[in-house]
Amino acid sequence: AQTVTQSQPEMSVQEAETVTLSCTYDTSESDYYLFWYKQPPSRQMILVIRQEAYKQQNATENRFSVNFQKAAKSFSLKISDSQLGDAAMYFCAYRSGSNYKLTFGKGTLLTVNP
Amino acid sequence: GAGVSQSPSNKVTEKGKDVELRCDPISGHTALYWYRQSLGQGLEFLIYFQGNSAPDKSGLPSDRFSAERTGGSVSTLTIQRTQQEDSAVYLCASSLRPSGPTEAFFGQGTRLTVV
Repeated sequence: AQTVTQSQPEMSVQEAETVTLSCTYDTSESDYYLFWYKQPPSRQMILVIRQEAYKQQNATENRFSVNFQKAAKSFSLKISDSQLGDAAMYFCAYRSGSNYKLTFGKGTLLTVNP
Repeated sequence: GAGVSQSPSNKVTEKGKDVELRCDPISGHTALYWYRQSLGQGLEFLIYFQGNSAPDKSGLPSDRFSAERTGGSVSTLTIQRTQQEDSAVYLCASSLRPSGPTEAFFGQGTRLTVV
């Protein structure tokens, strides 16, 4: 079974600084997809960024980028120029290419200090 | 609607009572998921519906939990004889397709408190 591990229960960053959230996963499959979701206090999960395992190039969405290390099974999220609105719980998630279930890590609570 | 809608937003119930949680997915989305988020935990998969196929119920924690999806649209998650350990946020998500990099869109969840 696939597992997703987020080793940082909490992180904090100063406004305008850069922060990196860690995620590792365990799988024996070669075809899969990785996601970072943000959950603000409103509880609604919002997709931040996604990565296809077959793509070597790291995904980027504006201030958000990932460092995807397939051999190490690592998928970290970098937030540049942090803003107060980035404060939220961040979840790393895995989906197999042949399965529909999203498997989530336990999340990292990010605090942004003004 | 524009997004996934869940109701009620919050529900407080007495131990032993039955509760029904509703999810209205995005129109046209064939895949629908229920997840449970307990305090300090990640999201736990409960059940999955895809079109007219038999649902994947492998994540339901006990036979007190059941779910249905009528007409391929609205879904209801029912918890019978609620227990305090059922207290959690129940999240519903839908996606256009069940696999690949397709984004799953989530509702705002129902916070269930069993007292």
